[in-house]
Amino acid sequence: EPEVTQTPSHQVTQMGQEVILRCVPISNHLYFYWYRQILGQKVEFLVSFYNNEISEKSEIFDDQFSVERPDGSNFTLKIRSTKLEDSAMYFCASRVTENQPQHFGDGTRLSIL
Amino acid sequence: AQSVTQPDIHITVSEGASLELRCNYSYGATPYLFWYVQSPGQGLQLLLKYFSGDTLVQGIKGFEAEFKRSQSSFNLRKPSVHWSDAAEYFCAVGSFSGGYNKLIFGAGTRLAVHP
Repeated sequence: EPEVTQTPSHQVTQMGQEVILRCVPISNHLYFYWYRQILGQKVEFLVSFYNNEISEKSEIFDDQFSVERPDGSNFTLKIRSTKLEDSAMYFCASRVTENQPQHFGDGTRLSIL
Repeated sequence: AQSVTQPDIHITVSEGASLELRCNYSYGATPYLFWYVQSPGQGLQLLLKYFSGDTLVQGIKGFEAEFKRSQSSFNLRKPSVHWSDAAEYFCAVGSFSGGYNKLIFGAGTRLAVHP
């Protein structure tokens, strides 16, 4: 069964550094998402992406965050200058159409030192 | 605003016992509802979904859930729990913004299974 793939599984970065989290959504999917889960807290929506543009973003998704679909297969989340509070598990998700569920990757655990 | 409440943070059951995990939602229209399961170190796996129609939905791994509009609930059930069901379970509602555009999750219920 096709799945969403995220790399790396764990990323350790110094505070203030840029980080890029990578995702390969399921190939025929059209809608893409990033969520995050701070340890011990609920999963929170960050951003949704469709037709090469952001369709919705949360308050968390400030100017330090950006997303990109640089080619036909990858979907990336960039954090320009990481903060300690960015430490979390980041999940990528995709879905094929509006009335289908989102499929999640295994996540990237981001640790900011 | 849309929200999801999972009243039970931790639940412990014995293997073979029945299970019910509670979920209540707040949403203005007919919701899209989901249950996801997260095993340690893993991503979120979809167990089942409700979009419309039959209010009792069947999912994978022997799970089912019932949508009750009058109670704003979407409780997850399993008649006989297996040790491998130990995981964290998340209820979520799909928020509409031109189709459902994001998921709003509950805080999760961590299930422990005793042999």
